[in-house]
Amino acid sequence: KQEVTQIPAALSVPEGENLVLNCSFTDSAIYNLQWFRQDPGKGLTSLLLIQSSQREQTSGRLNASLDKSSGRSTLYIAASQPGDSATYLCAVRNTYNTDKLIFGTGTRLQVFP
Amino acid sequence: DTAVSQTPKYLVTQMGNDKSIKCEQNLGHDTMYWYKQDSKKFLKIMFSYNNKELIINETVPNRFSPKSPDKAHLNLHINSLELGDSAVYFCASSQEDTYNEQFFGPGTRLTVL
Repeated sequence: KQEVTQIPAALSVPEGENLVLNCSFTDSAIYNLQWFRQDPGKGLTSLLLIQSSQREQTSGRLNASLDKSSGRSTLYIAASQPGDSATYLCAVRNTYNTDKLIFGTGTRLQVFP
Repeated sequence: DTAVSQTPKYLVTQMGNDKSIKCEQNLGHDTMYWYKQDSKKFLKIMFSYNNKELIINETVPNRFSPKSPDKAHLNLHINSLELGDSAVYFCASSQEDTYNEQFFGPGTRLTVL
């Protein structure tokens, strides 16, 4: 059974820092992995989707990496800004059930000025 | 134009009532989903519909019944509401040929009194 965990659960950093959010999954038979952000009281916004055959994906100041064999993905945020404050969720799809997204526990990020 | 929309945004009701939440997507996607986010912010899939057919039905009480009148709509009907049904419900959609990247609605916060 696939389980997804995220560390740390919460993170508070000053503006301008580069930071890394971690996501671990127990079953390496994944189809792809998706990173989302969720603002308080809002829905989820898709940030990056990384296929199982890819090692990384980039969008602006965000870079997601994937290491299937070790069951890990990281989301790197460069030069953090207060507007980056949100909860970041990773979710995986297994190869044997590509319709189903299994979510991690989330990392709540606060970037202060 | 909103890609995935849900109504209502907030729903407050008494135990024992029956209520519905509506979801519409204008992305032309062929798969739609319902998720529940509990008080600890953990997101879990409830149902998945592909071309009006039920694909995933997680361990959800049969008081919950999804209804898909067409590809662009997936409504969630809940009978005999209980206190434990209080949560935020998210609708999402995806398309298989874009790696099932999922796009989420803004959520419906259901409070059962």
